[in-house]
Amino acid sequence: QVQLVQSGAEVKKPGSSLKVSCKTSNYRFFDYGITWVRQAPGQGLEWMGWISAYNGKLNYAQKFQGRVTMTTDTDTATGYLELRSLTFDDTAVYYCARVRAPFYFDYWGQGTLVAVSS
Amino acid sequence: SSVLTQPPSVSVAPGKTATITCGGDNIGTKSVHWYQQKPGQAPVLVIYSDTDRPSGIPERFSGSNSRNTATLTISRVEAADEADYYCQVWADSGDHREVFGGGTKLTVL
Repeated sequence: QVQLVQSGAEVKKPGSSLKVSCKTSNYRFFDYGITWVRQAPGQGLEWMGWISAYNGKLNYAQKFQGRVTMTTDTDTATGYLELRSLTFDDTAVYYCARVRAPFYFDYWGQGTLVAVSS
Repeated sequence: SSVLTQPPSVSVAPGKTATITCGGDNIGTKSVHWYQQKPGQAPVLVIYSDTDRPSGIPERFSGSNSRNTATLTISRVEAADEADYYCQVWADSGDHREVFGGGTKLTVL
């Protein structure tokens, strides 16, 4: 069955960067995109952006422009999220999910808790 | 804040029908998708493209979309349906604030 397995929880200092991985399996990686969604404690889902695994096309939410980078490694069928200049407000669970047309998310990773703390 | 408007909470007795709405300008012209999220778990897709159910989702879950409101309907509600529900669309313009609705907490009484 399709699986997305994310890297483990992290604690980060303000001003630092995070990088979360999303290892996929049991499907053709090139045929889909990877999206990233985060959820702050007690809050709703917040879309961050997506990347096409086929051609690397990117679309970032304006809120994160200039601070986020999404990449894929086709050799390992893995997606990556990098977020820089972290603040306390970036404390959240970060999810990856598979994207399919017309832009919905059918399989999700288990989530990665990132806590920003001094 | 989200421009997809969902009621913060909906309550329903077991065996009854729950209706969760998602309002937005001309949302009827877009494909709407719905996710269920239980505490401590990742979201699960329950409806895609307005009305379609992924395999494994009970027929009790259905969706509709018209004009300015999309609706998720859960028939014969069970205790296990208690969760947060989010609507989602793709807006290929602006800052994509409207990707997700604010979420609705469904409480089974």
